[in-house]
Amino acid sequence: QKEVEQNSGPLSVPEGAIASLNCTYSDRGSQSFFWYRQYSGKSPELIMFIYSNGDKEDGRFTAQLNKASQYVSLLIRDSQPSDSATYLCAITSGTYKYIFGTGTRLKVLA
Amino acid sequence: NAGVTQTPKFQVLKTGQSMTLQCAQDMNHNSMYWYRQDPGMGLRLIYYSASEGTTDKGEVPNGYNVSRLNKREFSLRLESAAPSQTSVYFCASRMGQNTGELFFGEGSRLTVL
Repeated sequence: QKEVEQNSGPLSVPEGAIASLNCTYSDRGSQSFFWYRQYSGKSPELIMFIYSNGDKEDGRFTAQLNKASQYVSLLIRDSQPSDSATYLCAITSGTYKYIFGTGTRLKVLA
Repeated sequence: NAGVTQTPKFQVLKTGQSMTLQCAQDMNHNSMYWYRQDPGMGLRLIYYSASEGTTDKGEVPNGYNVSRLNKREFSLRLESAAPSQTSVYFCASRMGQNTGELFFGEGSRLTVL
């Protein structure tokens, strides 16, 4: 079992809709959870981080964490074509180990 | 503000050749990481260095060695390159606490023939 699991997609949503991206993880000791966005041919860049159970909102993005279910999600409201990218879920395992999922490719259709 | 700098950006090797990927950061970060990225595989951790003087294996360390030369620099060496090591390699760094953002270099595209 991979430490971080994501559906590879592509997830296609129309412009203006809500995109919902999901991630599960296996290490119950994980303390920190991250969502990165990666455009084709570019480096990943951080969108959101969340450390506590519940929701965290930043503009059009909301991260949700449920440690009991070992589940973290990212909601993108009012999706734009510029949001089309691969979204990578990441966790810290132990103090320094930083593990990524395989990523979900999102396509926002104009 | 350079951030994380990787060299070279592109490299073609023949099977069995050796090479070193260089990485340097100017953000005074304690922790540094090497990942490889292959289609459909996400970012896989090769090695990491929690702080100067320490290195640890990640998910896919076989065929690689690393050196944390000083606080700024963390190199990745392929002693005898294999076609399976064809990939895009990313170096990253962060402050090193139990939380915190990873800052990535632009990536190095390596092809092994």
